[in-house]
Amino acid sequence: NAGVTQTPKFQVLKTGQSMTLQCAQDMNHEYMSWYRQDPGMGLRLIHYSVGAGITDQGEVPNGYNVSRSTTEDFPLRLLSAAPSQTSVYFCASSYSKHSGANVLTFGAGSRLTVL
Amino acid sequence: KQEVTQIPAALSVPEGENLVLNCSFTDSAIYNLQWFRQDPGKGLTSLLLIQSSQREQTSGRLNASLDKSSGRSTLYIAASQPGDSATYLCAAPDYNQGGKLIFGQGTELSVKP
Repeated sequence: NAGVTQTPKFQVLKTGQSMTLQCAQDMNHEYMSWYRQDPGMGLRLIHYSVGAGITDQGEVPNGYNVSRSTTEDFPLRLLSAAPSQTSVYFCASSYSKHSGANVLTFGAGSRLTVL
Repeated sequence: KQEVTQIPAALSVPEGENLVLNCSFTDSAIYNLQWFRQDPGKGLTSLLLIQSSQREQTSGRLNASLDKSSGRSTLYIAASQPGDSATYLCAAPDYNQGGKLIFGQGTELSVKP
């Protein structure tokens, strides 16, 4: 049982480049989400999804796109990378569509540096 | 809007000591609260999910309590070990935002041998 798998673990981008962070879960979880973690700012919610075909914005959505075509996958796209997007990104999922109702399971993280 | 605060930001204790980590939240209309552990360079691992009806939840040397009336939760670690060194985060749901979890900034715990 793999849980939540994120790829890549590390990535360096130049300003203006685009890329996709991949997230997959094999637990049949309804709820999936993306957070970014920055020193002094804690964990901030970027986007989330309560099921296939349904996505919504979190606290800091600007500069990011998501889609949820299957229950298992929830990719995060950076459209035109900026140095302010240098961060550690975490994907998390839970069984219930309400993230606070059940244990939230996190991936190992993706460390992104934008030069 | 739910706000979650953890004080202190960092804590250093000698091995074997019992310790308490504190978590405060502003919106007490919650059904549960979660505690997580994060090791350096790693993701978050769920430790305990405590329901408001339970008031306490135990896992091994860890015990979490929840007092909605005071807007507080505590994580008690008994007989601390160097392997307990990590950052501990609590998270409470914000039902004004569909029940999304709001995280505290964490307490960085160091247990010295």
